[in-house]
Amino acid sequence: AQSVTQLDSHVSVSEGTPVLLRCNYSSSYSPSLFWYVQHPNKGLQLLLKYTSAATLVKGINGFEAEFKKSETSFHLTKPSAHMSDAAEYFCVVSAGNTGKLIFGQGTTLQVKP
Amino acid sequence: NAGVTQTPKFQVLKTGQSMTLQCAQDMNHEYMSWYRQDPGMGLRLIHYSVGAGITDQGEVPNGYNVSRSTTEDFPLRLLSAAPSQTSVYFCASSPRRLAGVSAGGEQFFGPGTRLTVL
Repeated sequence: AQSVTQLDSHVSVSEGTPVLLRCNYSSSYSPSLFWYVQHPNKGLQLLLKYTSAATLVKGINGFEAEFKKSETSFHLTKPSAHMSDAAEYFCVVSAGNTGKLIFGQGTTLQVKP
Repeated sequence: NAGVTQTPKFQVLKTGQSMTLQCAQDMNHEYMSWYRQDPGMGLRLIHYSVGAGITDQGEVPNGYNVSRSTTEDFPLRLLSAAPSQTSVYFCASSPRRLAGVSAGGEQFFGPGTRLTVL
């Protein structure tokens, strides 16, 4: 069975400092992994996805994530936070061939001026 | 393309009432899903469909029915609303070509319906 665990429910950073949002996954086979972002009162937008190609995945708005099989991790990073990055972020794993997604609990990113 | 659309955006129900949340997509996607979002729990899958006429249960299906008579539409029915169904509901779709681990499995989400059951 597939599952994801987001290790922090809330992360607070200052504008211009690095962002690290942590995600561990569990999967019985090589997974597809995603990060989605949800701004307040909005729908979900795909940030990036890993599909067994390059282990370092670049996404939109300067975000990237590294797939580490040995650590079963897929942490999301950004070198310099912007105020507009404040949102909720979800780490997600694809559960097989039926289009089902398994979501982590979410991490709220706060960016302080 | 309008993408994935959901109606209504907001709804307040009384316990025991029934209603249907509408979801439509104009991208000819085979796969469609319904999720509910509750604080601290991420999104949880209610029901999903891999094509017209085919539906299956997700993680939290109790109290909800779905049908898929066309590729475009995937309505979610609450037969007898309960306060525990107060949540934000998201519909999502995906083309079959993206299904499967090697293809990615990315889904496209609607804007959501905020439902309150009193």
